[in-house]
Amino acid sequence: GNSVTQMEGPVTLSEEAFLTINCTYTATGYPSLFWYVQYPGEGLQLLLKATKADDKGSNKGFEATYRKETTSFHLEKGSVQVSDSAVYFCALLYGNNRLAFGKGNQVVVIP
Amino acid sequence: DAGVIQSPRHEVTEMGQEVTLRCKPISGHNSLFWYRQTMMRGLELLIYFNNNVPIDDSGMPEDRFSAKMPNASFSTLKIQPSEPRDSAVYFCASKRQGAFGNTIYFGEGSWLTVV
Repeated sequence: GNSVTQMEGPVTLSEEAFLTINCTYTATGYPSLFWYVQYPGEGLQLLLKATKADDKGSNKGFEATYRKETTSFHLEKGSVQVSDSAVYFCALLYGNNRLAFGKGNQVVVIP
Repeated sequence: DAGVIQSPRHEVTEMGQEVTLRCKPISGHNSLFWYRQTMMRGLELLIYFNNNVPIDDSGMPEDRFSAKMPNASFSTLKIQPSEPRDSAVYFCASKRQGAFGNTIYFGEGSWLTVV
């Protein structure tokens, strides 16, 4: 089937620290991969995406590389800010219209 | 450009009342989705439309839920009668159908509380 697994639990870190959120996927075919971010009390916003193997998506200092060999799409940011505190969802698009979401990771950045 | 527009943003209603959530997709997008988000179940696809036609409603929880898309720029999700367990955030999303890998864009959500 098609599914996404994100690392368990919230992530708490200090401002300017390095952030990594792991995401692995299972898919039939060649899905597109996405990271969405949800700020407190708001909707889901597209953060970045990659549509084929070895593509790197990037936005607002965040990056993720589509790794077919390890079926991964880990999210990274070199220096987080308090304003990056949010819930981050990894997702894959399959069948052209279906999104499979991970459970999400809450990121808390402490000043 | 305007994104996906949903209304109401917040609604508190009493059990048994009818709830209607509204959505205007991004202009030019011909696929529309309704999702529900809860702490227990995360994000669930309820139904999606292509060119105003419902394609898959297998995620609709039960007969109390119904969705319509009378034209390309408007959709509704109705719950009648509402129950406390329907309390959730309901997201509408849209996409341009046909192009591979095109992004699904989400609205701000309708935050529903049924008391």
